[in-house]
Amino acid sequence: SQKIEQNSEALNIQEGKTATLTCNYTNYSPAYLQWYRQDPGRGPVFLLLIRENEKEKRKERLKVTFDTTLKQSLFHITASQPADSATYLCAPDSSGGSYIPTFGRGTSLIVHP
Amino acid sequence: DARVTQTPRHKVTEMGQEVTMRCQPILGHNTVFWYRQTMMQGLELLAYFRNRAPLDDSGMPKDRFSAEMPDATLATLKIQPSEPRDSAVYFCASGGTSAYNEQFFGPGTRLTVL
Repeated sequence: SQKIEQNSEALNIQEGKTATLTCNYTNYSPAYLQWYRQDPGRGPVFLLLIRENEKEKRKERLKVTFDTTLKQSLFHITASQPADSATYLCAPDSSGGSYIPTFGRGTSLIVHP
Repeated sequence: DARVTQTPRHKVTEMGQEVTMRCQPILGHNTVFWYRQTMMQGLELLAYFRNRAPLDDSGMPKDRFSAEMPDATLATLKIQPSEPRDSAVYFCASGGTSAYNEQFFGPGTRLTVL
């Protein structure tokens, strides 16, 4: 069955550095992959979507890559700020052609001033 | 500012009681999703609707959970009878007509079953 893996350990970085979060998936080939941000006590908020035929997508300080050979997506935040501290969820679409995203467990990012 | 709304925001109930959670999707969105989030399982899809028709509820325990969309502005998730293991945060999300299903989440209902 399909499996989505995100690092369960929190990522701690210093303000101004680039944060890189990893999402690995196995046993299927998603047509796209989404990234969401979730703050404590709130619902996830959509950030970026990347399609299988796109290698890279950018939005302001965010960059997402999608390597279908490695079955991996990387999510980068450049010039990180304490306000970027949150949990980041990756969501490839599920297998079976429904195009419904299936969410990973998320990785917590903590940016220290 | 279009948002998904959910009521109630918090619910504490006793085991065996019926719980009904409500969601108002963003006007014009034709897909509605119900998720449950726990520390152990993360965000799990329970059910989703497109144009008010249920398309997939395989993630939902059928014996006690039911989801409906009485009209385009209201989605409901009902648990009867509730059990302590149902304690979680329940999110509703709506999406537009895009095939890629970017989702807009509500604030969630935090359910505690004693």
